[in-house]
Amino acid sequence: SQTIHQWPATLVQPVGSPLSLECTVEGTSNPNLYWYRQAAGRGLQLLFYSVGIGQISSEVPQNLSASRPQDRQFILSSKKLLLSDSGFYLCAWSVQNSYNSPLHFGNGTRLTVT
Amino acid sequence: AQSVTQLDSHVSVSEGTPVLLRCNYSSSYSPSLFWYVQHPNKGLQLLLKYTSAATLVKGINGFEAEFKKSETSFHLTKPSAHMSDAAEYFCVVTFDQTGANNLFFGTGTRLTVIP
Repeated sequence: SQTIHQWPATLVQPVGSPLSLECTVEGTSNPNLYWYRQAAGRGLQLLFYSVGIGQISSEVPQNLSASRPQDRQFILSSKKLLLSDSGFYLCAWSVQNSYNSPLHFGNGTRLTVT
Repeated sequence: AQSVTQLDSHVSVSEGTPVLLRCNYSSSYSPSLFWYVQHPNKGLQLLLKYTSAATLVKGINGFEAEFKKSETSFHLTKPSAHMSDAAEYFCVVTFDQTGANNLFFGTGTRLTVIP
């Protein structure tokens, strides 16, 4: 069966520090991968998605970047965090080339920028 | 244009009473629809999905939803609420087009269950 791992679960970082959040998927090949952010009390905002190694699409211009160095690994990064980067970050995967494939989410990372 | 609307940002029910969470979509394509549940500080968990098969879909934890094309709705129901159902619920729609970025999320409905 497929599983998705996301870490760390919580993170407190000072303003201006770098960020690296990692997500890996097991049990499937060539998935679509996604990073979402959820601000407190709000819905989900798609940040990045990827259909293959090295292929990243950005949905929102911002202080963040994403990379996909391996087929089932998706990394969210920042060189210098802002206070506004605080939120709940969710990684997800779906089956490629299947328009009705549901998203499968990780357990999320709670990021607090101080 | 494609969109999804969750009509209630907050629903409060007593334990043991029915739950109704409303979702409407707008699309010129054939939709697939999903309901997710999110407990505090957790990821989203798939409750059920509609993908053009039976219009009444049964999901986990006693939830079900009915796709009504004439009403462009996909409301989530449960006959009897349990305390553990208290969470945020998201309606998600995708349309008959390939591509990784074809999912539309509702803004969520927070369900409170009163003991």
